[in-house]
Amino acid sequence: SQQGEEDPQALSIQEGENATMNCSYKTSINNLQWYRQNSGRGLVHLILIRSNEREKHSGRLRVTLDTSKKSSSLLITASRAADTASYFCATIPAGGTSYGKLTFGQGTILTVHP
Amino acid sequence: DTGVSQDPRHKITKRGQNVTFRCDPISEHNRLYWYRQTLGQGPEFLTYFQNEAQLEKSRLLSDRFSAERPKGSFSTLEIQRTEQGDSAMYLCASRQGWRDTQYFGPGTRLTVL
Repeated sequence: SQQGEEDPQALSIQEGENATMNCSYKTSINNLQWYRQNSGRGLVHLILIRSNEREKHSGRLRVTLDTSKKSSSLLITASRAADTASYFCATIPAGGTSYGKLTFGQGTILTVHP
Repeated sequence: DTGVSQDPRHKITKRGQNVTFRCDPISEHNRLYWYRQTLGQGPEFLTYFQNEAQLEKSRLLSDRFSAERPKGSFSTLEIQRTEQGDSAMYLCASRQGWRDTQYFGPGTRLTVL
């Protein structure tokens, strides 16, 4: 079953603008990861943030994590047409024996217009 | 690093036929996962291998599904007596030891007519 929801389901912006996507999850986590998927292809890992971290940066990506609200956000700054893709958050639960399996949200479809 | 590869990339079959997909993980990765993704949804976990041992199977994996990973290298996922509801993208991912990042293959898109 899906871990939670992503918001918005679809986002359309102009090149150069910033894009913000939000993810909510239901259970306590070990870490949260963001993946990108271009149409009809496999997923590409973007960034991982651990439960004891609040913010992380990688290039034009900024991820925040609020474990008290069980939510995360992904900010893409200065977007490019090549950023057009679906973006998924995925979690690994805290404790137990999860074997590192990922539980994904439903994704946000980002369209960046040139 | 040659990445995770999957074969075939596309498969069209008739209902009731059997199909088999192959996944070749990154060579030093001992952990391998299969996920299924339907249109407009995020991937859902199917099964997990650590080396050659299948350690977890999702309830999504009915009796018609079987997966193997002989010798802890490549893995196969077989679906017997396919149904239209099996139409989906089947994704394979691998990771190394204690590292959390999973590397995904391009997927096999299955269409059951």
